[in-house]
Amino acid sequence: AQSVAQPEDQVNVAEGNPLTVKCTYSVSGNPYLFWYVQYPNRGLQFLLKYITGDNLVKGSYGFEAEFNKSQTSFHLKKPSALVSDSALYFCAVRDIGYGGATNKLIFGTGTLLAVQP
Amino acid sequence: EAGVAQSPRYKIIEKRQSVAFWCNPISGHATLYWYQQILGQGPKLLIQFQNNGVVDDSQLPKDRFSAERLKGVDSTLKIQPAKLEDSAVYLCASSYQRGTDRAWEQFFGPGTRLTVL
Repeated sequence: AQSVAQPEDQVNVAEGNPLTVKCTYSVSGNPYLFWYVQYPNRGLQFLLKYITGDNLVKGSYGFEAEFNKSQTSFHLKKPSALVSDSALYFCAVRDIGYGGATNKLIFGTGTLLAVQP
Repeated sequence: EAGVAQSPRYKIIEKRQSVAFWCNPISGHATLYWYQQILGQGPKLLIQFQNNGVVDDSQLPKDRFSAERLKGVDSTLKIQPAKLEDSAVYLCASSYQRGTDRAWEQFFGPGTRLTVL
């Protein structure tokens, strides 16, 4: 079964410092991987996806993610954190059930990013 | 483009009562999803529609939950009767037609927070 794991419930970083939010995956076949962000009282927003191509994927708001097949990881990164980046971040993987007939996503448990001024 | 609309934003009911949630997806989005997000967990897909047909309802508790998408636009999700464990945020999302490049980007509404007492 497809799954993702986010090993950290919370990540704390000072504003201006680089940030990393970790995600590892377990899939059969080629992984389709995603990052979403959830701000308080708002729905999830798409940040970026990896399907094929370059291992470094660039997304919204200056975020990027590095796909590492050997380590089965897809960590989210940003060179310089902002206080406004504080939110809940979810990693997700495509579920290949139903023969790939759906765009079903399986989400991780989320990592709370707290950026201190 | 206007976002995904959901109502109500909050609902408090007693167990064994019924409740319904409404979703209006982004115009032109053929695919609509209902997710359940329990506190501290990632969203879990309940049902996915492609136009007005069900693509995946494998995780929908069909003895109490039902959903419909008449005319392939708006959708309603109903719980009847509600249980304590149904307390969660119910998220609606939509995306472009499967097979298009942007089909993997799901746009989420703000959610409905349900409390069952």
